[in-house]
Amino acid sequence: GAVVSQHPSRVICKSGTSVKIECRSLDFQATTMFWYRQFPKQSLMLMATSNEGSKATYEQGVEKDKFLINHASLTLSTLTVTSAHPEDSSFYICSAGRPGTDYNEQFFGPGTRLTVL
Amino acid sequence: GQNIDQPTEMTATEGAIVQINCTYQTSGFNGLFWYQQHAGEAPTFLSYNVLDGLEEKGRFSSFLSRSKGYSYLLLKELQMKDSASYLCAVSDSNYQLIWGAGTKLIIKP
Repeated sequence: GAVVSQHPSRVICKSGTSVKIECRSLDFQATTMFWYRQFPKQSLMLMATSNEGSKATYEQGVEKDKFLINHASLTLSTLTVTSAHPEDSSFYICSAGRPGTDYNEQFFGPGTRLTVL
Repeated sequence: GQNIDQPTEMTATEGAIVQINCTYQTSGFNGLFWYQQHAGEAPTFLSYNVLDGLEEKGRFSSFLSRSKGYSYLLLKELQMKDSASYLCAVSDSNYQLIWGAGTKLIIKP
């Protein structure tokens, strides 16, 4: 199978601090990773598409200077929430596309629950 | 614009059958996915349809009609563990997933 891990699974931080979330594809190389945010009782909202070795593509309304994405290798992408505020509290989920799959399936990490106090 | 509609919530009885509908309007179509998401967890893949017709996988089946922009997920022999949100997502012309808001399925004994 295709396994994607995320770390940490939960984080609580004070307002104004920065938080880094790691997303790793454990048994395959992911040229493309996706970062989603999900607020309670809402659907997944794509924040950005991360391509290895190039700048991330952000969705409209997502601040690239606030949500820093680095896809430095084929197995690791990081999302840094800078100067986090309570409204950034959410469930952040990454997914990775595995080359060669018939239908461009995305494999999801377990998610990171961020709470900003 | 791009739009995916599915019911917000459905209730069914353990052992019964439930059908969750999804209609979509997207720029291009490269397949439709159904994912299951339990509360507080990430989505898990259930099915993929790119051609018209019914795909059966155990207790779960998924149907697609491209001409109608319509899909449904059919769950048979419902179990309590099937209580979850079911997300419909369409891969558009750029292979980007467009997500529906999800259908919360409540199973009652």
